[in-house]
Amino acid sequence: SQQGEEDPQALSIQEGENATMNCSYKTSINNLQWYRQNSGRGLVHLILIRSNEREKHSGRLRVTLDTSKKSSSLLITASRAADTASYFCATGSIQGAQKLVFGQGTRLTINP
Amino acid sequence: SQTIHQWPATLVQPVGSPLSLECTVEGTSNPNLYWYRQAAGRGLQLLFYSVGIGQISSEVPQNLSASRPQDRQFILSSKKLLLSDSGFYLCAWSGQGAVVAQHFGDGTRLSIL
Repeated sequence: SQQGEEDPQALSIQEGENATMNCSYKTSINNLQWYRQNSGRGLVHLILIRSNEREKHSGRLRVTLDTSKKSSSLLITASRAADTASYFCATGSIQGAQKLVFGQGTRLTINP
Repeated sequence: SQTIHQWPATLVQPVGSPLSLECTVEGTSNPNLYWYRQAAGRGLQLLFYSVGIGQISSEVPQNLSASRPQDRQFILSSKKLLLSDSGFYLCAWSGQGAVVAQHFGDGTRLSIL
């Protein structure tokens, strides 16, 4: 079953602009992760945020987590053409330890 | 460093034929192993996961099965493929623990004719 729902489903912006993607989920989690998938390839782990954290940074990536609203956002600053990919959020729960539930993804296109 | 190998990259099989996809991990011991299927333009559906040799948990009923004959080897099989088995199959590994990242292979594109 799908837990996370990304919004928007597709996003197209100009190179250099910031891209924001959102993820909502339904049940209690102990962590939330973001992954990137280039077309036809496997997923690459970007960042992990635990349920007791509110914000995390990694390079040009900024992730926020609001457990009261059951939502997370991924911000990519100063986007580049190489950022074109699909982005997925995935949630982990105490009940389902070792497992992640993935959302449907946001397709991000960076126009040069 | 750890690496994950998945093969073949693409596979075209007739309906009713058997299937065997293999995934191996290097550079780590006792990993958790996962098989996912991804429909076109969609998210990932967890099919099987394994926390140790011979330990397989199935997430969705289907005509697929998984086996873990060695610590770092995970195999996805079917005795008779259906048209609905077409898709992109991804293998992943993670370390032990409740909060860990997963690391994916490059996937196998399976087409059933």
